[in-house]
Amino acid sequence: NAGVTQTPKFQVLKTGQSMTLQCAQDMNHEYMSWYRQDPGMGLRLIHYSVGAGITDQGEVPNGYNVSRSTTEDFPLRLLSAAPSQTSVYFCASRSGLNSNQPQHFGDGTRLSIL
Amino acid sequence: AQKVTQAQTEISVVEKEDVTLDCVYETRDTTYYLFWYKQPPSGELVFLIRRNSFDEQNEISGRYSWNFQKSTSSFNFTITASQVVDSAVYFCALSSLSSGTYKYIFGTGTRLKVLA
Repeated sequence: NAGVTQTPKFQVLKTGQSMTLQCAQDMNHEYMSWYRQDPGMGLRLIHYSVGAGITDQGEVPNGYNVSRSTTEDFPLRLLSAAPSQTSVYFCASRSGLNSNQPQHFGDGTRLSIL
Repeated sequence: AQKVTQAQTEISVVEKEDVTLDCVYETRDTTYYLFWYKQPPSGELVFLIRRNSFDEQNEISGRYSWNFQKSTSSFNFTITASQVVDSAVYFCALSSLSSGTYKYIFGTGTRLKVLA
């Protein structure tokens, strides 16, 4: 079972470059989300989506864009990378909007901005 | 506002000791859900347990047990007879209705080191 797949696993960028972190799930989950994990700060929600064509901001959305053209895919775009965006990024999905379902997480993307 | 506090940044214990990880939450919602996740050194996030606000029964799963107390807004996690494989960062999370959609709020995590 693939579950939630994130690519790439590691990436180094220069300040000002743009890139897209890919996330795909094969569980037909409506809800998908992106988090960033920084030391001492836990996981913070960047953007989320409750279905194809519907996205919304989390608590730290600045500098990131998302789109949801299909149920399966939820890419995260860094428009102009900044050193403050150096972090580990996790994509997650869960079935339905009812939050008694646990989220399934991808393995993460470790991103360094020089 | 929703908030999850894990005041213990790091705990070290010797193998076979019992250890309790604290989680205190804040929410004004009457319906909410609490979760614990484990993040081993390999980095993935592993779901351990969920609890809804209407179920205050404690739960035991092998060496793991969870104590949910609404009166103190706490959802603590105890590992009995800890093992080196329990070494990980543990996250507590809260999810309650916000702006029409349930969103997770994570605590900052507790790093548990179990020494052989």
